[in-house]
Amino acid sequence: AQKITQTQPGMFVQEKEAVTLDCTYDTSDPSYGLFWYKQPSSGEMIFLIYQGSYDQQNATEGRYSLNFQKARKSANLVISASQLGDSAMYFCAMSPLSSNTGKLIFGQGTTLQVKP
Amino acid sequence: KAGVTQTPRYLIKTRGQQVTLSCSPISGHRSVSWYQQTPGQGLQFLFEYFSETQRNKGNFPGRFSGRQFSNSRSEMNVSTLELGDSALYLCASSPIQGAGTDTQYFGPGTRLTVL
Repeated sequence: AQKITQTQPGMFVQEKEAVTLDCTYDTSDPSYGLFWYKQPSSGEMIFLIYQGSYDQQNATEGRYSLNFQKARKSANLVISASQLGDSAMYFCAMSPLSSNTGKLIFGQGTTLQVKP
Repeated sequence: KAGVTQTPRYLIKTRGQQVTLSCSPISGHRSVSWYQQTPGQGLQFLFEYFSETQRNKGNFPGRFSGRQFSNSRSEMNVSTLELGDSALYLCASSPIQGAGTDTQYFGPGTRLTVL
């Protein structure tokens, strides 16, 4: 079975500090994509960053980076220099390539609050 | 480019009624997926459409159905509404079908309340 686990229901971080949101996954597929999305209180899911299972380097997008450890099946999101606008729910998701569909499997999410 | 649009944004229905939600993908995107988000179950995949064909379906009863038109716009329908159908329904589009590397871009969602 394919599963995403986010063990931190809620996190606090001080403004301008870095924070790591944990994500572990379980899949028997040899190829898969890993995604992080941000969901503000408005509800819209905003794409942040993508990591392919065969990518040699960790993905980075501006202040977001993905700490990908394939052997440990973890794909943690690191947000550097947190801003008040980063307060939101964050979801880790996986898409197995072998399924030949775009179906995303989501974790339960982590609520991040940035303190001024 | 305009993003994914969903209409209506908010909807209130009563048990037993049916509802149709609409999704317009990003221009040029041919794949549309639907997800249901509830506090208890989280985000769950409903179905995916590509070129007017349903490619994949999640574990939902037959009351949930959808379709895609030739212009890639998609609709989902829920018949005989139940209280448990109250949720945020999210639509996502991606350029091509079937690629796990293909990023899905989400719309703002339709918040359905069933009374």
